[in-house]
Amino acid sequence: QQPVQSPQAVILREGEDAVINCSSSKALYSVHWYRQKHGEAPVFLMILLKGGEQKGHEKISASFNEKKQQSSLYLTASQLSYSGTYFCGTEKGYSGGGADGLTFGKGTHLIIQP
Amino acid sequence: DTAVSQTPKYLVTQMGNDKSIKCEQNLGHDTMYWYKQDSKKFLKIMFSYNNKELIINETVPNRFSPKSPDKAHLNLHINSLELGDSAVYFCASSPRRGSGSNEQFFGPGTRLTVL
Repeated sequence: QQPVQSPQAVILREGEDAVINCSSSKALYSVHWYRQKHGEAPVFLMILLKGGEQKGHEKISASFNEKKQQSSLYLTASQLSYSGTYFCGTEKGYSGGGADGLTFGKGTHLIIQP
Repeated sequence: DTAVSQTPKYLVTQMGNDKSIKCEQNLGHDTMYWYKQDSKKFLKIMFSYNNKELIINETVPNRFSPKSPDKAHLNLHINSLELGDSAVYFCASSPRRGSGSNEQFFGPGTRLTVL
């Protein structure tokens, strides 16, 4: 089942902060975050594998609450280069063997204005 | 050093034709995927292949068939193309689950337009 992302779109000024949420109705093995710029492929930002795990990447960090089946992506002091569509992708609980593909949310469009 | 490559980048064709999209990865990954991104930017998994075995097939019409001649290649063949097949198709690869990182590396995409 597709994870639900919110908000659908965000418009910020440079230097402002943003939070993008991702929730699932099913148990999760991991949560992935990707950013896609117009006309380009999705680019990996980070993966969260354990409940409660927080990871950071420059001024972009994320948390994963396994119990609540939710993840949030935090963008602080946003830069123009952060503009794009952010997708969370979820994997189902590990059932042994091989690897499943990702089920992506519908994306959050982030526009950073100077 | 392109990690995941796809050809062609653009594909314009008529309804009813058969076409193929090629994908190659040089990362040594065990698992490869095909995703479809529609006009609303919804990104949906179509297939995944692990060591040449199909793992999942997410209710994709059987007009779509993935073919993997070896671990580094996963081609997508589409028969009897329909207007609704117009989309951007992304190939991706990742290490086998349990390797410590399931990051997916995406190819540049193939924009398919069916007329």
